Amino acid sequence: QVQLQESGPGLVKPSETLSLTCTVSDGSISGYSWSWIRQSPGKGLEWIAYIDYRESTDYDPSLKSRLTISIDTSKNNLSLKLSSVTTADTAVYYCARGPHLDNWGQGTLVTVSS
Amino acid sequence: DIVLTQSPATLSLSPGERATLSCRASQSVSSYLAWYQQKPGQAPRLLIFYSSIRATGIPARFSGSGSGTDFTLTISTLEPEDFAVYYCQQRSNWPRTFGQGTKVEIK
Repeated sequence: QVQLQESGPGLVKPSETLSLTCTVSDGSISGYSWSWIRQSPGKGLEWIAYIDYRESTDYDPSLKSRLTISIDTSKNNLSLKLSSVTTADTAVYYCARGPHLDNWGQGTLVTVSS
Repeated sequence: DIVLTQSPATLSLSPGERATLSCRASQSVSSYLAWYQQKPGQAPRLLIFYSSIRATGIPARFSGSGSGTDFTLTISTLEPEDFAVYYCQQRSNWPRTFGQGTKVEIK
């Protein structure tokens, strides 16, 4: 069973860039599509970024100008960068595999605060 | 964007009862609809994809139906571990969108 583990800074200052990594273990990152989904405290789920096995990407339109998703096959991990963060970007960030999101990491909480 | 509207917002039921959750799309998503279960402090778990196909390891008491704009998740007999929040999600169009969730709580 593939395991996904998100990691990140925990606390980011407003206007800075948030960088997150999703490490894939017990399976290969190659040949699959991958997504990042976030959940603000007490709120619902918001899909924000997607990358397929050809490394074609797609983003939530409202965040597209600030987001970059990428894959590093040599490290077997997935990355997300979100620039110019504000307090509205405070959320638990999840990575998930496949078109149906059939495997999820446990999530990492990112708080944007000065 | 396709808006998914879930109803009811909260469903209060007892163990052993049947749960029927609805998800309505603002435009057709064909059968590209999935259901997820989320418990407090946990990541969501895929239950159903392509409207009606159970994911690996999901008990048969969970079933999905529908196509186009109207979808239903049915839990035939609620077990104690089924009390959670349920989300629908469409992958017919970009951006992918989720419903706002239905909380199934113990009555």
